[in-house]
Amino acid sequence: QKEVEQDPGPLSVPEGAIVSLNCTYSNSAFQYFMWYRQYSRKGPELLMYTYSSGNKEDGRFTAQVDKSSKYISLFIRDSQPSDSATYLCAMSASLQGAQKLVFGQGTRLTINP
Amino acid sequence: GAVVSQHPSRVICKSGTSVKIECRSLDFQATTMFWYRQFPKQSLMLMATSNEGSKATYEQGVEKDKFLINHASLTLSTLTVTSAHPEDSSFYICSATPGVTQYFGPGTRLLVL
Repeated sequence: QKEVEQDPGPLSVPEGAIVSLNCTYSNSAFQYFMWYRQYSRKGPELLMYTYSSGNKEDGRFTAQVDKSSKYISLFIRDSQPSDSATYLCAMSASLQGAQKLVFGQGTRLTINP
Repeated sequence: GAVVSQHPSRVICKSGTSVKIECRSLDFQATTMFWYRQFPKQSLMLMATSNEGSKATYEQGVEKDKFLINHASLTLSTLTVTSAHPEDSSFYICSATPGVTQYFGPGTRLLVL
């Protein structure tokens, strides 16, 4: 069993829809959770990070963490074609510099105009 | 803030040659940098952790004599692919951390003919 599970998709939704992206994990030592967006042929871009259960909002993006269920989500409101990308969840047991990130497989998202 | 650059963005070389890829943190100091490899439609695979002034730590299965890493300063790490072969063709991405989370470079696409 992988430490982090993420449905690779692909996921295709119409413009303006609410998108829900999810990851589950098995390692209870994970305390810090990140979402990255990666456009084709580019490096990942950090969207959000959080370390506590609950919701964190930044513009159209909301990150949700449920540590009791070992489940994290990223919601995108009012989705735009420019949101079309691969979304990667990542986690670590620490925010210390030397701590490795464990990534999900990534979900390919397409927003259709 | 938290900008990471990579150079070159793309390189094509003949089999048997060596290729050097540079990773720079532009607006912060990074005691730790990471090197990843990514195959098409797959997630990032950590190759090694690079610490300033010390030897890199390689992941299991990564040949340290083939992938030479040097982290000579707090803003620069280099990855040298020695005696490159077609199977080394891939997308190489570095990341750097200012102590909070990892910020990624734009990636280097290597094609070995």
